Amino acid sequence: GAVVSQHPSWVICKSGTSVKIECRSLDFQATTMFWYRQFPKQSLMLMATSNEGSKATYEQGVEKDKFLINHASLTLSTLTVTSAHPEDSSFYICSASVDRVGEQYFGPGTRLTVT
Amino acid sequence: AQSVTQLDSQVPVFEEAPVELRCNYSSSVSVYLFWYVQYPNQGLQLLLKYLSGSTLVKGINGFEAEFNKSQTSFHLRKPSVHISDTAEYFCAVVNDYKLSFGAGTTVTVRA
Repeated sequence: GAVVSQHPSWVICKSGTSVKIECRSLDFQATTMFWYRQFPKQSLMLMATSNEGSKATYEQGVEKDKFLINHASLTLSTLTVTSAHPEDSSFYICSASVDRVGEQYFGPGTRLTVT
Repeated sequence: AQSVTQLDSQVPVFEEAPVELRCNYSSSVSVYLFWYVQYPNQGLQLLLKYLSGSTLVKGINGFEAEFNKSQTSFHLRKPSVHISDTAEYFCAVVNDYKLSFGAGTTVTVRA
């Protein structure tokens, strides 16, 4: 149980385009989902927290207009990187939780490369 | 805000030898601590967690950790490692419902 999937697992896009990453909880309802960013050989950095049906809460320094997060249902959250640039290239990982303070279950990650 | 410090950035170890990964946390009234493992190009997998109760926590793949309140530590141990344990290991603490991760420890197991 508690499986989280991400799609795509790997994406290459051209500079200036937008990319959407999906995060799904497959066997449970996730009221809260988290989006992380991880640079090579570094730890995870929390970008934002999203609760179903409400606006995402972004961490300090994360551009909300660049990283659009939508949590439309209890099993799906999406992260859209708008007008992507090479510096947005990174590994993006989502996690899902049954409630705000519960254990987080992590997705397998999405490797984004912007050329 | 609560935080964790992983004291070792890299730990090389021979197969079948024991390993200990050190993690210290900032002191607080109540602490929820986790150890995660990340294999290359993959997400995080929970190894074990401490929420309350027994200070010795057993996890998956033969790992265990001991919560030490007086030393504010939560070190991860495995008595005998395998090649397949080569990975990145993260200690994390719940901080206002969000997870704060340590910098990570790279474990490389050699034959």
